[in-house]
Amino acid sequence: DTEVTQTPKHLVMGMTNKKSLKCEQHMGHRAMYWYKQKAKKPPELMFVYSYEKLSINESVPSRFSPECPNSSLLNLHLHALQPEDSALYLCASSQRPGARGAQYFGPGTRLLVL
Amino acid sequence: AQKITQTQPGMFVQEKEAVTLDCTYDTSDPSYGLFWYKQPSSGEMIFLIYQGSYDQQNATEGRYSLNFQKARKSANLVISASQLGDSAMYFCAMWGDYGQNFVFGPGTRLSVLP
Repeated sequence: DTEVTQTPKHLVMGMTNKKSLKCEQHMGHRAMYWYKQKAKKPPELMFVYSYEKLSINESVPSRFSPECPNSSLLNLHLHALQPEDSALYLCASSQRPGARGAQYFGPGTRLLVL
Repeated sequence: AQKITQTQPGMFVQEKEAVTLDCTYDTSDPSYGLFWYKQPSSGEMIFLIYQGSYDQQNATEGRYSLNFQKARKSANLVISASQLGDSAMYFCAMWGDYGQNFVFGPGTRLSVLP
């Protein structure tokens, strides 16, 4: 089973709202990732959690706040977003971080900020 | 810094024929992994194949094979016997062990013609 689930599938929020994206995997993977993908562009890495600790933050604005409550769950808390933050947000997991394992992606959350 | 180049924005192939999607990379990491992903219009990123920088043999997964030429820094994807369901965006990606970053190329849109 290589399933990564993400909720919600679609999200519309105003610039003053607070919302959260959720990602879950039950493959025993110890690395989890958040990506942002704009239309017709490749995904861009935002955050990496390794063994439930934040290991990489790609200079993401503080209005995005990741959280890893346990080894199976990854959240992305959103606050005071801008319209340019509208994108597809993808979660992924791998057995461990690094060059020797594939990342398996969830279906993504399509976010629209009004 | 790591960089992936995919020089073919779009490709067409006749059903049942083979097609090669080009990928070249640049990294100073001695240890890295190369990946290919497929992204249909639904948005989900599907892992296809992986090649480690120290692997002696080219990777194969069913109809997918990776033509790895380390000296040329190329990692081309070969799809044999194309199917209509292969129509999608294809991304080449790399993770460098020391750079600790997962970088995607710009992608190639493949269209399989009946």
